[in-house]
Amino acid sequence: EIVLTQSPGTLSLSPGERATLSCRASQSLSSSYLAWYQQKPGQAPRLLIYGASSRATGIPDRFSGSGSGTDFTLTISRLEPEDFAVYYCQQHGGSPRTFGQGTKVEIK
Amino acid sequence: EVQLVQSGAEVKKPGESLKISCKGSGYTFSNYWIGWVRQMPGRGLEWMGIIYPGDSDTRYSPSFQGQVTISADKSISTAYLQWSSLKASDTAMYYCTRREEAGQLAYWGQGTQVTVSS
Repeated sequence: EIVLTQSPGTLSLSPGERATLSCRASQSLSSSYLAWYQQKPGQAPRLLIYGASSRATGIPDRFSGSGSGTDFTLTISRLEPEDFAVYYCQQHGGSPRTFGQGTKVEIK
Repeated sequence: EVQLVQSGAEVKKPGESLKISCKGSGYTFSNYWIGWVRQMPGRGLEWMGIIYPGDSDTRYSPSFQGQVTISADKSISTAYLQWSSLKASDTAMYYCTRREEAGQLAYWGQGTQVTVSS
């Protein structure tokens, strides 16, 4: 089973700042099968990025993903008030699918 | 429009059985894998397993193998998650989700809250 480790656990930032979230896999992910999800309280997760760098439909271009192998990054270029949430990475190539433990982006 | 609509919240006692559902619409249900995800109170997302409604091929995460049963009825476009004997530790929100071609999870149900308490 592939283990995903996200860092930091919590990121305290102000609106307008840049957020950089990390996800490290315990083994190399084939074809960069790494996705990012956003979850707000009381809501289901929402797909942001898949294939490490492809934005899902309707996702603003301030969200970008990068990385390959075992190290991946989600960047939010300028935080909007609605971006404060928990973010999860997930590998979608191996079985079973696994999620990281999440990074909370909170308002500073 | 693709939609996954889950059954309503449940309150059960330890030892009881339960089956929750996820009904797909807006697409050919048989052609896409449906996965289940657990989220315990205040915790992260956990992958439980997945089923292909077209032939009922089912894969479980090792952590959930033998603990739950995933099934589907393609004739009514519905997937199920069931327990034969609930425990307090099964208290959680459960989401169904559709797996896309590359494996990403683009569509999610609204979640079903399961509470197990004596």
